[in-house]
Amino acid sequence: GNSVTQMEGPVTLSEEAFLTINCTYTATGYPSLFWYVQYPGEGLQLLLKATKADDKGSNKGFEATYRKETTSFHLEKGSVQVSDSAVYFCALVGSGNTGKLIFGQGTTLQVKP
Amino acid sequence: EPEVTQTPSHQVTQMGQEVILRCVPISNHLYFYWYRQILGQKVEFLVSFYNNEISEKSEIFDDQFSVERPDGSNFTLKIRSTKLEDSAMYFCASSLDRGGHEKLFFGSGTQLSVL
Repeated sequence: GNSVTQMEGPVTLSEEAFLTINCTYTATGYPSLFWYVQYPGEGLQLLLKATKADDKGSNKGFEATYRKETTSFHLEKGSVQVSDSAVYFCALVGSGNTGKLIFGQGTTLQVKP
Repeated sequence: EPEVTQTPSHQVTQMGQEVILRCVPISNHLYFYWYRQILGQKVEFLVSFYNNEISEKSEIFDDQFSVERPDGSNFTLKIRSTKLEDSAMYFCASSLDRGGHEKLFFGSGTQLSVL
């Protein structure tokens, strides 16, 4: 079945450091891929998405590229801020599915000033 | 921006008791979902609901679980007889249209603790 694997957390970085959170997936067909973010005390929010191979999703300085050959969708940001401290979830929706997201376990990012 | 509201934010109950988790989806949305996350584990799909019936459910969503949209605004998840392993964060979500995973709005969750 479909699944998503994220790197273990927590990840602790200093402000302005480079961020990578690894995500790999297993899916049949052509899934859509997502990164969600959960700030403290809030719900899950869609951060970015990519719906086909080689697409790059981007938002708020974050980027992720849909790599079908490596079944990966790693999240990157060139210079993190304290306000980026949150839990980040990689997710997919399988081709033909509707609304049923398959999530990774989440990675906690803590950015220190 | 419109938001999905969940109440309570934290629910504590005794094993074997019934609990109802409440959600108010975004008013013009038509598709509703429950997900849960056991501490340290993945967020898991429980059920989707459309047109007053379940569209899809996972193997987790057994006879102990039920969902209802009693009054056109609330969307509830009921657990009839809670077990210790039901302790988790429960997330409600809604979307405007089918395949709306690109615009799936989540609530901030209800932390259920079963003692």
